[in-house]
Amino acid sequence: EVQLVESGGGLVQPGRSLRLSCAASGFTFDDYAMHWVRQAPGKGLEWVSGISWNSGSIGYADSVKGRFTISRDNAKNSLYLQMNSLRAEDTALYYCAKARSSSYFDYWGQGTLVTVSS
Amino acid sequence: DIQMTQSPSSLSASVGDRVTITCQASQDISNYLNWYQQKPGKAPKLLIYDASNLETGVPSRFSGSGSGTDFTFTISSLQPEDIATYYCQQYDNPFRVTFGGGTKVEIK
Repeated sequence: EVQLVESGGGLVQPGRSLRLSCAASGFTFDDYAMHWVRQAPGKGLEWVSGISWNSGSIGYADSVKGRFTISRDNAKNSLYLQMNSLRAEDTALYYCAKARSSSYFDYWGQGTLVTVSS
Repeated sequence: DIQMTQSPSSLSASVGDRVTITCQASQDISNYLNWYQQKPGKAPKLLIYDASNLETGVPSRFSGSGSGTDFTFTISSLQPEDIATYYCQQYDNPFRVTFGGGTKVEIK
């Protein structure tokens, strides 16, 4: 059974940093691209970042480019999102998602909540 | 960036009704479009990929069509368990993905 479990969320002050993790199991992690998608309270889905199976292709939404860094450790079956210079508008539930054929988000975690507030 | 305009933003329909949602891309994306369902408090679920392919296990009352810039998602006979918000997602570049704004479907 595919499982994606996010962690690392919490309350953080504006300008500070946070690192999210996503632990994957139930599939061959290094065969698949992975993505982060967020959802602000009461709002729609916003793609944040994605990384190919071998970290050779990486992309970011314009809203986070230069502040967030995606990475993965295939030996640990884990995906990460380093979030720096956090802003109030980064407040959201952050999901990690497995991507079949790099593009179809076929499995999602339950999300980890990030709240940026003073 | 490719923008996805989804409409309507919400709709109310009766059980058994045919429901149609549209998504328009700001440029040609061929058939690089997926549809997701999100129920309250839950993670999204992939329903349709490559514009018209039904994901395994998804009921056949769900369907998708379109290519280029204009896409349609249809529920042929609305069921109570279909109450959710539906999102389109383009992946012309798999690492520069964008979602539509969502359509909230309610029962009349």
